[in-house]
Amino acid sequence: QVQLVQSGAEVKKPGASVKVSCKASGYTFSDYYIYWVRQAPGQGLEWMGLISPRGGISTSAQKFLDRVTMTRDTSTSTVFMELNSLRSEDTAVYYCARRGPSEYIDYWGQGSLVTVSS
Amino acid sequence: ELVLTQSPATLSLSPGERATLSCRASQSVSRYLAWYQQKPGQAPRLLIYDASSRATGIPDRFSGSGSGTDFTLTISSLEPEDFAVYYCQQRSDWPSFGGGTKVEIK
Repeated sequence: QVQLVQSGAEVKKPGASVKVSCKASGYTFSDYYIYWVRQAPGQGLEWMGLISPRGGISTSAQKFLDRVTMTRDTSTSTVFMELNSLRSEDTAVYYCARRGPSEYIDYWGQGSLVTVSS
Repeated sequence: ELVLTQSPATLSLSPGERATLSCRASQSVSRYLAWYQQKPGQAPRLLIYDASSRATGIPDRFSGSGSGTDFTLTISSLEPEDFAVYYCQQRSDWPSFGGGTKVEIK
């Protein structure tokens, strides 16, 4: 069965960086884009960007262009999202999610809570 | 930037009642719109894609309609497990989500 398993919760200080991992299994890793979506406490969903596991090409939403890096390791079927220059408003649950055959999200990771606090 | 606006923010209904949720796009997204359900502490779940197609395993009490800029998610008769937050998402442009509608027990 398809699974996306993310890394655990992190606590970071303002200005630091965080790198979240997402290990895929149960399907052909290179066949489906992976999205990153975040959700601040009590707030809605925010799309951050996507990566193509096949070629490693990524794109991100305008507001994250200069702060986010998405990469992948095909040998372990894992994608990574690194967010730099953290501020308190980056406190959120970060989800990786598979863009399925319908071209919408059909599977989600369990989420990784990132807390930014001094 | 393509903005999705959901209304109402909160819908207070009783089990068995009909729920009608709205999602309006700031420009046409054709039929490239999905609906997700999210319960507390869980990731969202895909309900409807391309405006009106039900995702695998979704009960037929959930239906979607609309095209262009105006879309509706209808839950024909609310079950206790349907009380949750619902989000719309478009893929006509770079993906974006609406702000959500909370369906709560009256």
